[in-house]
Formats: sequence, C-alpha cells, structure tokens
Amino acid sequence: GAVVSQHPSRVICKSGTSVKIECRSLDFQATTMFWYRQFPKQSLMLMATSNEGSKATYEQGVEKDKFLINHASLTLSTLTVTSAHPEDSSFYICSARTSRYTDTQYFGPGTRLTVL
Amino acid sequence: DAKTTQPPSMDCAEGRAANLPCNHSTISGNEYVYWYRQIHSQGPQYIIHGLKNNETNEMASLIITEDRKSSTLILPHATLRDTAVYYCIVRVANRDDKIIFGKGTRLHILP
Repeated sequence: GAVVSQHPSRVICKSGTSVKIECRSLDFQATTMFWYRQFPKQSLMLMATSNEGSKATYEQGVEKDKFLINHASLTLSTLTVTSAHPEDSSFYICSARTSRYTDTQYFGPGTRLTVL
Repeated sequence: DAKTTQPPSMDCAEGRAANLPCNHSTISGNEYVYWYRQIHSQGPQYIIHGLKNNETNEMASLIITEDRKSSTLILPHATLRDTAVYYCIVRVANRDDKIIFGKGTRLHILP
C-alpha cells in the first residue's frame, strides 16, 4: 500500500518556540492532506483539510494562526505550531489521499510533540 | 459527530475470533462502512471497507446486516499484535468528505 511519512517522529521544544512537522506521501500524489491531533486516551480529532495549492480549511475551534498549514506540492504538507505552549503537547497525525481514488486514505505514523 | 456506536472495550482470547460490533442506524444509501485500527502510539491503519455486501481480505472480514444499520468486524484468529483501538466509520468516500473518528473499541487480546 501507499506510504505516508512524518518528520520528526518526536520533538521536544521550549514554550514559545515554533515547531514544524512535515508530512510526505512517498509513492503517490496527494491532492488532499488532513491533519489530526490526539491527546492521551482520546480519539483523533480532525484539525484541518488542505488541498494542494490552496488554503487549508480548519475545523471549528482550531486556531488557523496558531496551526499554520502549507500544502505547496503534491507530496508535501507541513504543519507549524507557532508559539507552542504545554497545552499544545499532543500526538499529531497526518493523512493523505489522491483525487483519483478518494476511497483510500493513508495515515502517517504520527509526531509526538512535547512542549516544556 | 461520529455516526457510529461501538462498545468502549472488549477482550478476546488469543487464537480465537474477535467479533467487533458497530451500530450505524442512520447510515445513508451512499455511505460506506470503514474500519481502521490504531495500535498504541502509531497512526491509524486501514483494515477493510464495504457498502452492503460482506467483504473479506487478508486481515479481516466485514459482515454488514441486510438493513445496513449495523456491522461486525471479524478478526478470525486474533493474536497479541491485534491489541489496538478499532474504529468503525461511515463515509461517502468522495473527494469532499473527511474521516471523523469516534471513540472506537479498545480490543485487548489475552494470552
């Protein structure tokens, strides 16, 4: 099956700094990518949907100025957590799909963010 | 809001079949039933999906009732590596839809 990678897999940063997480589709062109956040013992929560070359669509309650999403190419989307605080500590997961086979959505392995 | 209802947790003995139920009484005619699982600290993994016919692949079988209001995921010979949270999701699967996760079922495989 198709592979989605994330980098880094784990990051620890100080409060107030910005952190960038990359999501790549390794063997297919991802016209749509999704970003999820998961707190301990909770389900995945969809944060935003991004289509290549256009602005991301954020879910209700997600601050677009805090979570900057860029989907500049068909194989790469980035999530930047700006001015991170301890409450932003979470497991961030991306997923990707093509426009041709919309029934198939592939998930990345996740990035564990810890803000001190 | 998730459109499915699943039991919060289940136990299954290793080597036995694990049967995970899911209720989706408000499913629409063009919505598919999808199953994903998430092993601890990993991204979700696709298992299987179906519209109205029963489906089987190398991982599992999916049994959908005739009225499509419920379904069962069957892991025929559960192993310890099948311990995970299993999510049942209904979706249209077109270019405009998005996967919304409910709480899922935490499956414990017992040695």
